[in-house]
Amino acid sequence: NAGVMQNPRHLVRRRGQEARLRCSPMKGHSHVYWYRQLPEEGLKFMVYLQKENIIDESGMPKERFSAEFPKEGPSILRIQQVVRGDSAAYFCASSLDTYGYTFGSGTRLTVV
Amino acid sequence: DAKTTQPPSMDCAEGRAANLPCNHSTISGNEYVYWYRQIHSQGPQYIIHGLKNNETNEMASLIITEDRKSSTLILPHATLRDTAVYYCIVSLYSGAGSYQLTFGKGTKLSVIP
Repeated sequence: NAGVMQNPRHLVRRRGQEARLRCSPMKGHSHVYWYRQLPEEGLKFMVYLQKENIIDESGMPKERFSAEFPKEGPSILRIQQVVRGDSAAYFCASSLDTYGYTFGSGTRLTVV
Repeated sequence: DAKTTQPPSMDCAEGRAANLPCNHSTISGNEYVYWYRQIHSQGPQYIIHGLKNNETNEMASLIITEDRKSSTLILPHATLRDTAVYYCIVSLYSGAGSYQLTFGKGTKLSVIP
């Protein structure tokens, strides 16, 4: 089992570009969670998805951010028109049920 | 969701037990206590969780007080690889049945040779 796979590990975008972060959950896991960690801070919940459904997006910024978890393929966190304040580490986690996350290694987004 | 309080940092000698305290005085009856750690800039790693009873696994032991207002994570024989930020988290159940993990600042544990 390869664990939770996130790619890319590092992503550099210019202000105004789009960032697409991918997350492949562990085999058999149908719950996916996205968290953001700003420098020197703890992780903040963003969104919880099951296959083809957004269950809880209470932590997502209202604009520019979206997430999906299609029937086939990885979960995608999309950030449109990135700004410098979006620079952070974005972690994906998956679980078999609603207990016991497994986190990926994260994507470090740098906006220049 | 209940909030937790942890010391910002602790040192532990290699080979000794590391005891990491956590206060969660406002925890409600159906909320679990979870412990995760984050080594350098890697993704958080699950360690252990519990509701009322003490728990032990291959990584650590979790001691929860009878009133559930505090807990202690014990790493029985700390190694240099245990140097990390340790997060004590009380689970939050949303109306949709999911739960969110609210990460605070955690305790930065430094294991010293």
